Amino acid sequence: GESVGLHLPTLSVQEGDNSIINCAYSNSASDYFIWYKQESGKGPQFIIDIRSNMDKRQGQRVTVLLNKTVKHLSLQIAATQPGDSAVYFCAENTGGFKTIFGAGTRLFVKA
Amino acid sequence: EAGVAQSPRYKIIEKRQSVAFWCNPISGHATLYWYQQILGQGPKLLIQFQNNGVVDDSQLPKDRFSAERLKGVDSTLKIQPAKLEDSAVYLCASSFIGEDIQYFGAGTRLSVL
Repeated sequence: GESVGLHLPTLSVQEGDNSIINCAYSNSASDYFIWYKQESGKGPQFIIDIRSNMDKRQGQRVTVLLNKTVKHLSLQIAATQPGDSAVYFCAENTGGFKTIFGAGTRLFVKA
Repeated sequence: EAGVAQSPRYKIIEKRQSVAFWCNPISGHATLYWYQQILGQGPKLLIQFQNNGVVDDSQLPKDRFSAERLKGVDSTLKIQPAKLEDSAVYLCASSFIGEDIQYFGAGTRLSVL
């Protein structure tokens, strides 16, 4: 995914609801995917990853789903909390450890 | 464990001036990355080192940007001369060799006036 400029896609959810953040990746040869969370003034922080031989992986309150047929990745956050407010990036590795970041989605959590 | 350290946190310069950023990776991480993150965009890789060798610098504007990691530990990224479009956050990340997960510093926010 390439940049969408200044207008980041935004998702606004109520505290306690589940969040779903979507990502379309570009390279069918990508074999590893990572979700990062970036809070204001900080660098991206690893959340969860998934390899292309899997279609689902769960962590603590987070689940990543991979659909290789349509080159789509999603991050599900259960019981979203105010501390989840951030920009979320999906990243794909095309082999050789080269990571390409998507444009990001801004998540707002309303109290 | 200590995270990736970057300095300075903020820098304001005028166009055509030069600037340098410093990064100290997590101890034991042989792979070091420099990214440019323009406001509202995802990080874009500028250069990747493994120890003191360059693995990928295909997106580094070599006419004005340079980076080094002489002893295979800390690294500097330099811009000379700076342009207005270089205004961005410059992120440093590190990882163990062969590991895909990268650990990022807080970045240096550069404003070119």
